[in-house]
Amino acid sequence: ETGVTQTPRHLVMGMTNKKSLKCEQHLGHNAMYWYKQSAKKPLELMFVYSLEERVENNSVPSRFSPECPNSSHLFLHLHTLQPEDSALYLCASSRQVYTEAFFGQGTRLTVV
Amino acid sequence: ELKVEQNPLFLSMQEGKNYTIYCNYSTTSDRLYWYRQDPGKSLESLFVLLSNGAVKQEGRLMASLDTKARLSTLHITAAVHDLSATYFCAVGYSGGGADGLTFGKGTHLIIQP
Repeated sequence: ETGVTQTPRHLVMGMTNKKSLKCEQHLGHNAMYWYKQSAKKPLELMFVYSLEERVENNSVPSRFSPECPNSSHLFLHLHTLQPEDSALYLCASSRQVYTEAFFGQGTRLTVV
Repeated sequence: ELKVEQNPLFLSMQEGKNYTIYCNYSTTSDRLYWYRQDPGKSLESLFVLLSNGAVKQEGRLMASLDTKARLSTLHITAAVHDLSATYFCAVGYSGGGADGLTFGKGTHLIIQP
């Protein structure tokens, strides 16, 4: 398997649930990202990891918690989300933080 | 704060016509990327522009970069329906609290037969 793989592809969760999104890249890249895409806003960069160290956190609410255990895996832990958090969450990776990013297929999240 | 502005944000055009999408950005960078997104799908990389004056072409699409003007263009020649999608430009930047790619709002392109 190659590229960037995200699981699950679709997720429906209640506001009191805890869930995690998973991203795996097989490209040997050093940087990984979480983006949020909703109908109301353009692509929002949430978190950036470079060599497993977080280098960017764009004022994301604490109900979103990222984890990068190694350079190939990235998680987004979700808890007590709000309906406005419903969106497409995209994972991406790149060789360096400013180089071409390759995106996964995304997780369509619905908070009910 | 790095800002990336695309225009137009919405474009409806007829097959066979030519048009240009513009991408302006607010800080010095020589890394500009164009992506395509189909409805309900993820982003697909189209072009990577890494120097002033860079020009890349793929089929009916051509992208260029002018780093002095902080401007990139995506030109569509003799549009066909299959090119209907949302097109994003993104600027690569490292440092100053803006690591990663910053995206424009996207241009929603509809090509009518």
